[in-house]
Amino acid sequence: ETGVTQSPTHLIKTRGQQVTLRCSSQSGHNTVSWYQQALGQGPQFIFQYYREEENGRGNFPPRFSGLQFPNYSSELNVNALELDDSALYLCARSFQGLGETQDFGPGTRLLVL
Amino acid sequence: GENVEQHPSTLSVQEGDSAVIKCTYSDSASNYFPWYKQELGKRPQLIIDIRSNVGEKKDQRIAVTLNKTAKHFSLHITETQPEDSAVYFCAASRRGGTSYGKLTFGQGTILTVHP
Repeated sequence: ETGVTQSPTHLIKTRGQQVTLRCSSQSGHNTVSWYQQALGQGPQFIFQYYREEENGRGNFPPRFSGLQFPNYSSELNVNALELDDSALYLCARSFQGLGETQDFGPGTRLLVL
Repeated sequence: GENVEQHPSTLSVQEGDSAVIKCTYSDSASNYFPWYKQELGKRPQLIIDIRSNVGEKKDQRIAVTLNKTAKHFSLHITETQPEDSAVYFCAASRRGGTSYGKLTFGQGTILTVHP
């Protein structure tokens, strides 16, 4: 186990609703990245937070937003859910200065109906 | 931005055979190349990685090679076992600056090892 936890494990929402996904780590890694993995695809980078500031974003609209807290836990918020948002959402922790290795959490599987 | 192509999409081998998965990348500034194994319903797990100052790296039955000139890298698994069956993803990223740790993944290879 990597020590990265995510909640909830599964979630069902309807179109137009909002969702908040959470990620936490047993140890203080100063960088957290979020990825979206659609069924049968590789993970796609959503955004990254470093010391509570957004540190780059992939090709995702502004309705995807995030937060990183002083204890390095993080949230991913998605507004106005669309059917295509159905996916596995993964967070990954790393520590800038010690290399790029990223440990992934178990993910949250989101289904939008 | 970076684009990573991975082949083949599916690979079926007999137990004990070798398996090779290949990836190409587009951004010549990419310098970190990890490989992840993802079993059904589980998280991607790092199995091996290589940095651009190294041409080859081995870890027991797994090896990765990198050709910077051609911008491609490959995963080699020898003496495959049924428990190697999973989806394998290659990825690429740049070290440093605002690109730190942002992985671009390939599409994945479903490896099946038949007993």
